[in-house]
Amino acid sequence: NAGVTQTPKFQVLKTGQSMTLQCAQDMNHNSMYWYRQDPGMGLRLIYYSASEGTTDKGEVPNGYNVSRLNKREFSLRLESAAPSQTSVYFCASSQGLAASYEQYFGPGTRLTVT
Amino acid sequence: KQEVTQIPAALSVPEGENLVLNCSFTDSAIYNLQWFRQDPGKGLTSLLLIQSSQREQTSGRLNASLDKSSGRSTLYIAASQPGDSATYLCAVRPGQAGTALIFGKGTTLSVSS
Repeated sequence: NAGVTQTPKFQVLKTGQSMTLQCAQDMNHNSMYWYRQDPGMGLRLIYYSASEGTTDKGEVPNGYNVSRLNKREFSLRLESAAPSQTSVYFCASSQGLAASYEQYFGPGTRLTVT
Repeated sequence: KQEVTQIPAALSVPEGENLVLNCSFTDSAIYNLQWFRQDPGKGLTSLLLIQSSQREQTSGRLNASLDKSSGRSTLYIAASQPGDSATYLCAVRPGQAGTALIFGKGTTLSVSS
């Protein structure tokens, strides 16, 4: 039982390049999330998927797109990377949206855009 | 807009000491509050979740309390150990539409042997 896994662990991009961050969970969770963590800003929600087939914007969605590929997988795409997107990206999942459900986090992807 | 504050930003204690980490939030309308631990360069590990209807949760040496009316939560760590050294994050899930956890900036704890 690996929990939430993310690939890649590290990535360096040049401005304007595109890439997709992958996330998968093996806990049969319905809801999945993408956060970014920046020094002095804390973690902020980019997008979330309440259930398979649905996605919604979070606090900072500009410059990103997401795909809920199936119940297990939720990917985050940067179409044209910018230096402001240098950050650590975390994927998380939870059983659902009810108050009793904890969110479980992956190990993160450290992205640098030059 | 919900804001979460954690004080102090950093804390150093000797091994064996009992300690309290504080978290405050501006809007008492929350679904739940979750405490996480983050080790340097690592992801977040969930420690405790308190639903809005609960007052406290315990796990081993950890006890988290919630006072919704005053907008406060505390994480109590008993008999601290060097292995407890990490950054502790508090996050609330607002009661209005949307499912974002709103995070504080964390308290970095250092326990010396």
